[in-house]
Amino acid sequence: RKEVEQDPGPFNVPEGATVAFNCTYSNSASQSFFWYRQDCRKEPKLLMSVYSSGNEDGRFTAQLNRASQYISLLIRDSKLSDSATYLCVVKGSNYQLIWGAGTKLIIKP
Amino acid sequence: DADVTQTPRNRITKTGKRIMLECSQTKGHDRMYWYRQDPGLGLRLIYYSFDVKDINKGEISDGYSVSRQAQAKFSLSLESAIPNQTALYFCATSDWVGGTDTQYFGPGTRLTVL
Repeated sequence: RKEVEQDPGPFNVPEGATVAFNCTYSNSASQSFFWYRQDCRKEPKLLMSVYSSGNEDGRFTAQLNRASQYISLLIRDSKLSDSATYLCVVKGSNYQLIWGAGTKLIIKP
Repeated sequence: DADVTQTPRNRITKTGKRIMLECSQTKGHDRMYWYRQDPGLGLRLIYYSFDVKDINKGEISDGYSVSRQAQAKFSLSLESAIPNQTALYFCATSDWVGGTDTQYFGPGTRLTVL
């Protein structure tokens, strides 16, 4: 079993819709959680950290469920520019980051 | 100018050749990393360095070596390249501010080993 698992997609979503991704992790001792965004053939960039109480940044909401060991990302009112691959990242007890393979999102006009 | 730069951006080489990938940063961060990315897999850590005198192996260090020449420079070497080292290589930096350790990536080097 992979340490961090994501549905690879692609998720094909019409512009303006709401879309949600989940990510599961296997190490219950994991300490920190993040979502990164990667555009095609580009480098990953931090989208947002994920806090225990859940957090929101504009149209993006991240949530953590430690009991079930998953994190989620919700995108509301999706824009064409949201098309990208979303990477789930978990920091383990050894402080190394473990990266999911990513979920590809395609927003259609 | 980009804060994290990588050279070369693309490289095609033959099996058995020695290859060096270079990374430079102007962010002033102490921490630097080398990752590889393969289709269908997450980024995998090759080596990391928390300061000039500190080098640590990551998840997949076999077949690779690194050198931290200065705070701003971290190079990755493939001593004898093999085809399964064909991948997209990223250098990253981070700064332990508030414990977040946000990674800042270079644009990547696409390496093909024939």
